[in-house]
Amino acid sequence: DQQVKQNSPSLSVQEGRISILNCDYTNSMFDYFLWYKKYPAEGPTFLISISSIKDKNEDGRFTVFLNKSAKHLSLHIVPSQPGDSAVYFCAAVEYGGSQGNLIFGKGTKLSVKP
Amino acid sequence: KAGVTQTPRYLIKTRGQQVTLSCSPISGHRSVSWYQQTPGQGLQFLFEYFSETQRNKGNFPGRFSGRQFSNSRSEMNVSTLELGDSALYLCASSLELAQNEQFFGPGTRLTVL
Repeated sequence: DQQVKQNSPSLSVQEGRISILNCDYTNSMFDYFLWYKKYPAEGPTFLISISSIKDKNEDGRFTVFLNKSAKHLSLHIVPSQPGDSAVYFCAAVEYGGSQGNLIFGKGTKLSVKP
Repeated sequence: KAGVTQTPRYLIKTRGQQVTLSCSPISGHRSVSWYQQTPGQGLQFLFEYFSETQRNKGNFPGRFSGRQFSNSRSEMNVSTLELGDSALYLCASSLELAQNEQFFGPGTRLTVL
């Protein structure tokens, strides 16, 4: 059963507008979340992360929001640019113990149209 | 700093064969993790190596194995290849064990015929 779900396989947005990518998780033990961006023929690159003790983290045009009660996080890109077109993966990790591996969602393909 | 490198980038094998993929982490990184990416399952964790020891393992059969050398370089091996093993295999490195922010290589695209 998927512990990290990205229910939208694709999203199309106009340049300059806001892109909102969503992610839901089921494991309440997850306490750190990350977003990765992946271009074709390249490995994922780290974008932004958030700890479960926060509800928001900003880095330039990228903001991640975390709603622990709803087990939901979202990535906002404002303003969206054509170069943002990529597949975005949400990932979660259970900190501490022996768990160090990232659990990924299946990704959302973002297309930003000029 | 050079990024994570993986060789080969592309590989074609037939069922029943075995394959070895190589990963060189970012200089100074001591942990290497391997992931399998397929269209149906997305990115799935295979295993993590640190100080030449496997520290974490995902839910994959024993045909998937790996090792890490003293210079932190890692190899993964898949024996008795099956059609379903066709995937992009990604290696990621981090400074220490079980660190959340991992840096990925470009992957090795394995096709099993």
